Amino acid sequence: QVQLQESGPGLVKPSETLSLTCSVSDGSISGFYWSWIRQPPGKGLEYIGYKYYGGSSNYNLSLKSRLTISIDASEKQFSLRLTSVTAADTAVYYCARLRYSYGPFDSWGQGTLVIVSS
Amino acid sequence: QSALTQPASVSGSPGQSITISCTGTSSDIGSYNYVSWYQQHPGKAPEVMIYAVSQRPSGISNRFSGSKSGNTASLTISGLQAEDEADYYCSSYTSTATDVVFGGGTRLTVL
Repeated sequence: QVQLQESGPGLVKPSETLSLTCSVSDGSISGFYWSWIRQPPGKGLEYIGYKYYGGSSNYNLSLKSRLTISIDASEKQFSLRLTSVTAADTAVYYCARLRYSYGPFDSWGQGTLVIVSS
Repeated sequence: QSALTQPASVSGSPGQSITISCTGTSSDIGSYNYVSWYQQHPGKAPEVMIYAVSQRPSGISNRFSGSKSGNTASLTISGLQAEDEADYYCSSYTSTATDVVFGGGTRLTVL
């Protein structure tokens, strides 16, 4: 059973860049789509985007101009980089494995809370 | 505003059955059999309960079932148990530039 674990700062200042990493263990990173989903406090899930091991990517249009998802296969990690953050980016960020580009998200990390505040 | 529409809340008594609806459009649910349902307990990560409209992952109880008609997908939970109390989210593949959309979530209360 693949295990996912998010890591990164829990506090980011407005206008700065939010960077998170997800480590993949007990499973292969090849052949899957590696994704990020977030959940603002008390609200629902929001799809952020994915990066396929083979190179393609898909981003939520509302975030696309600020977003980069990358994969480091040698380290079995993938990363999220979101620039110019505001308070609206405060959320629990989950990394997840997407079995196909059309779903499902079949393995999830435990989530990490990122607060955007000065 | 979420791309898929779910009721904010549903409730049922132990042993009963409930159904949660998820309404989309011809760009998502209406055109693709790629609807998934996720269960989320407070403070926990979501877990997939149903994928491809009606398929159950290994280890998921057969009390959970999914279906679709037109632009609306449904999750039915039969024989409600206290442990089923959670938030439920639907998601679908979409032909828009963003591949995946979620519903706003439904809170299930077991009375």
